[in-house]
Parts: sequence; structure tokens; C-alpha cells
Amino acid sequence: EAQVTQNPRYLITVTGKKLTVTCSQNMNHEYMSWYRQDPGLGLRQIYYSMNVEVTDKGDVPEGYKVSRKEKRNFPLILESPSPNQTSLYFCASAGLGMRTEAFFGQGTRLTVV
Amino acid sequence: KQEVTQIPAALSVPEGENLVLNCSFTDSAIYNLQWFRQDPGKGLTSLLLIQSSQREQTSGRLNASLDKSSGRSTLYIAASQPGDSATYLCAVLMDSSYKLIFGSGTRLLVRP
Repeated sequence: EAQVTQNPRYLITVTGKKLTVTCSQNMNHEYMSWYRQDPGLGLRQIYYSMNVEVTDKGDVPEGYKVSRKEKRNFPLILESPSPNQTSLYFCASAGLGMRTEAFFGQGTRLTVV
Repeated sequence: KQEVTQIPAALSVPEGENLVLNCSFTDSAIYNLQWFRQDPGKGLTSLLLIQSSQREQTSGRLNASLDKSSGRSTLYIAASQPGDSATYLCAVLMDSSYKLIFGSGTRLLVRP
């Protein structure tokens, strides 16, 4: 079954404690991306990657890091989380080209206290 | 800069009605447009994808159209059911940056 898997689904952490949210896809997709979703602000792109070792900033990259060492994995790293990073996070993947359909993970609800 | 707008922001209809959700975008240089469904607190489920060269796509009771030149897409839901209640999001994939840009969604409630 084609899927994007995020872990953990829920996370409560304290300010400043480094954390990583993992994302893995089994569709051999080149493109992967992270979004955050906040009430009234919709889905905003954090970072994206067009292929292994190729990453670019989205609209709201501050406070986040990513890496793409393998095609299937695209972890999101918060080096020093702050309360304004409390949000619902989604990872997505897609192939390249106009026929490509984007697939989304089930989301990670992060609370930073 | 691409802007994607969805109207209306919320919609409440009785069961059985046919309804239309609207999506407009300002930059027509897109690869495709995709409609998603999102249930509260859940992930996004892809409903339909229309390539930039296509005019419409159909899946069951759903039909999506695309008019790239005017920057518009509509999602038509026939014979709505309470189980259709969710937020519907449209997103365009830009052909220059390969960026997926979302509208803010239409929150649909279908009353029994």
C-alpha cells in the first residue's frame, strides 16, 4: 500500500529540547515536503526536497532543519523548539511531472510548552 | 506570487443537495491542480487531480473542472451525504518551483 508514514503522531515537549519528526514514503517519490497547519493560516510549506541531498526553504523555514540522505526519508528537526512551533505538521511526497499526485502523512500534533 | 482562494469558506447544506466548491488561483503557470479532503485533526486525502492540459476529472459523485486561462477550478459533489462533511482543500503545483500551494479550504457540513 502506497503511504507516507510520520512519527510520532502526537508529541508534547518543553522549550529548547531538540526533537525530530520522521517521515518515510514507500513510493520511490523524488519530491518530499513538510507543512505546518495552523488555524486561520492554512497549510504553509516549511521545507521541501526534490531529491537526495537537495533541499530548499519553503515559506516558513525559520527554526527548522531537514535532511534528505535517503530517497525514502525526510526528517524534520527542531533544534530548539519554541511555543510558537506548536502546530499540526504534515509530510508529503510526490513524483515529478504533471501527472503526479501528492500523498500526505497522517500528521504530527506537536505541543511545545 | 501565487495566491489560491477558496469560496465559500464554510457551507452547510441538507443531505441530497448537489453543491459546488470554488477555487481560484492568480498564476496560471501550474503543472496540475489537486483537490483534497481533510477530516478534523486528520491527514489530507487526495480526491482528484487535474493535469494542466485537462479540463475535468471525475470520480464517483465528484467532478472537478479546471479552466487554467481564467484561473478557476470547481469541485462538484452530487447528491451530498452526511459522510461528505469535511474540509475540502484545493492546491496547485507550480511548474517553475514545483511548489504545492494550498487554498484555505471550504468547511462543508451536510445535515441529515
